[in-house]
Amino acid sequence: GAGVSQSPSNKVTEKGKDVELRCDPISGHTALYWYRQSLGQGLEFLIYFQGNSAPDKSGLPSDRFSAERTGGSVSTLTIQRTQQEDSAVYLCASSFSGRNTGELFFGEGSRLTVL
Amino acid sequence: GESVGLHLPTLSVQEGDNSIINCAYSNSASDYFIWYKQESGKGPQFIIDIRSNMDKRQGQRVTVLLNKTVKHLSLQIAATQPGDSAVYFCAENFGNEKLTFGTGTRLTIIP
Repeated sequence: GAGVSQSPSNKVTEKGKDVELRCDPISGHTALYWYRQSLGQGLEFLIYFQGNSAPDKSGLPSDRFSAERTGGSVSTLTIQRTQQEDSAVYLCASSFSGRNTGELFFGEGSRLTVL
Repeated sequence: GESVGLHLPTLSVQEGDNSIINCAYSNSASDYFIWYKQESGKGPQFIIDIRSNMDKRQGQRVTVLLNKTVKHLSLQIAATQPGDSAVYFCAENFGNEKLTFGTGTRLTIIP
């Protein structure tokens, strides 16, 4: 498809388990972002990848969270030893680099529920 | 500090009327201000942006106004339609391609 694709769309897991969330950005977009959205809240920045540069990890809430981007395309967000407070919608977005405006293209998100 | 906030969490507007969604910001160093629309179960969708050296920008049925004196941003939607019902977020770009989002305003269009 032409848009940002995320999987799974829904994930229910037990506290303490690890989860992996996948993002497939729009082809040609070199910038990739992960945001987290808790129920009824705004978007919380997690991590940002830009080309081959070192990622901006300043938004990751703890060392249980990590992300990688392989080959400048697909990204995986990993949450280890999940906690109930990790329950949220995890949104991935991509954009053209160098535009320096605000137009990000978001996927539909992965809803994570930690029991 | 880096913060973007909204004056009203909910707004109800009669179909066909105009709506105004407001947003306050605190960081004068922002390069761009952006409005996003998020429908239920979907990711946010870009609506319109405005550069910090502008006061007004118009799109299709939408107008964004920027008042740097009072650090205020607004989104005006003309002749609202049922499809305009959504949560609207304002966001700031400090020039590093990392957006800071506000909490959002839920707009409900009353038929």
